[in-house]
Amino acid sequence: EVQLVESGGGLVQSGGSLRLSCAASGFTFSTYWMNWVRQAPGKGLVWVSRINTDGSSTSYADSVKGRFTISRDNAKNTLYVQMNGLRAEDTAMYYCARGRGLDPALRAAFDIWGQGTMVTVSS
Amino acid sequence: EIVLTQSPGTLSLFPGQRATLSCRASQSVSSSYLAWYQQKRGQAPRLLIYGASSRATGIPNRFIGRGSGTDFTLTISRLEPEDFAVYYCQQYGSSPEYIFGQGTKLEIK
Repeated sequence: EVQLVESGGGLVQSGGSLRLSCAASGFTFSTYWMNWVRQAPGKGLVWVSRINTDGSSTSYADSVKGRFTISRDNAKNTLYVQMNGLRAEDTAMYYCARGRGLDPALRAAFDIWGQGTMVTVSS
Repeated sequence: EIVLTQSPGTLSLFPGQRATLSCRASQSVSSSYLAWYQQKRGQAPRLLIYGASSRATGIPNRFIGRGSGTDFTLTISRLEPEDFAVYYCQQYGSSPEYIFGQGTKLEIK
């Protein structure tokens, strides 16, 4: 079964750090671009970050640039995001999501999502 | 930066009715890069439509995506009870690479 399972969320104080993980199974992880998407309580979806297949190219939303770092370990089939300098506005459910394929038209959409891990930043 | 505006914010309909959801972009976008998602309460989003009009695997044919340029629509031809959820459109581009609309809540009347 194709699956993504996030972990690492929790309660952290403002200014603190947290590393989220996303374990992939059921597909060849190393051949897909991967993303983090977040959703504040009661709010809409916001894309956070993207990484290409070998980790050589990354992209970030302006709101997290310089504070968050996306990475992957293809040998462990795991995606990460290191979150530093956390703020109250980073409080959200964090989802990892798979781009459909390598071609731009394929990776434009996210076909597999994890169940999410909740991050709460207290001020 | 492209902005995606979804309308209406909330749509109240009866099961069996037809639903039409709109996603308008602030500038022209490639239809190849426009997707729609469904999110039910407490669940992760699910891909419905990619490339503006192609249904994802396992999506019933009552879900129809159309549009080009700046105007895109998601039509649900005959609403089933399980279709009541929040729907998001999403665009892939540059800076930021991915943008979501604010969502349309489809509720039972």
